[in-house]
Amino acid sequence: EVQLVETGGGLVQPGRSLKLSCVASGFTFNNYWMSWTRQAPGKGLEWVASITNSGGSTYYPDSVKGRFTISRDNAQNTLYLQMNSLRSEDTATYYCTRGGTHGVMDAWGQGASVTVSS
Amino acid sequence: DIVLTQSPALAVSLGQRATISCRASQSVSTSSYNLMHWYQQKPGEQPKLLIYDASNLASGIPVRFSGSGSGTDFTLTINPVQADDIATYYCQQSRELPLTFGSGTKLEIK
Repeated sequence: EVQLVETGGGLVQPGRSLKLSCVASGFTFNNYWMSWTRQAPGKGLEWVASITNSGGSTYYPDSVKGRFTISRDNAQNTLYLQMNSLRSEDTATYYCTRGGTHGVMDAWGQGASVTVSS
Repeated sequence: DIVLTQSPALAVSLGQRATISCRASQSVSTSSYNLMHWYQQKPGEQPKLLIYDASNLASGIPVRFSGSGSGTDFTLTINPVQADDIATYYCQQSRELPLTFGSGTKLEIK
């Protein structure tokens, strides 16, 4: 069974940093692209970052480019999201997702809640 | 960025057909694939993939769910609707970066 378990969420002040982790199991981690997608309270879904299976390339939307960094440790089956210079608008539940073919997100974690507030 | 437009809500009766639409601001199809995907999100849960590449049923998804469309116009159909289908449905395109989602259609029971 595919499992994605996010940790590291919490309350953080504006301008500070936070790092999320996602431990994967039930599949061959290094065969898949991975992504983070977030959902602000009561709002829709927003793609945040993607990384290739080797970790050699990463992709971001303009809203987080330069502030967020996605990375992975294939030996530990773990995906990361380093979030710097956090803003109130980054408040959301952050989902770790597995990338299927053609950019689809075919498995989702339960989410990690991040609140940016003073 | 490719903008995906969905109606906010749809009310249907149990046992009837629900048709949820998603319109893209530009084509999300290539010569080989229609790069539109559909997800279901129940309250308090993470999203779940229903349909990929416009018309392919994801693993474990009941056959009452189906998808169609190409270019800029796509449809998710649920037939017949069951009480367990109450959820918000999102479309997502992967034709180009940034990956984008529609704003979601909330399915309600009449």
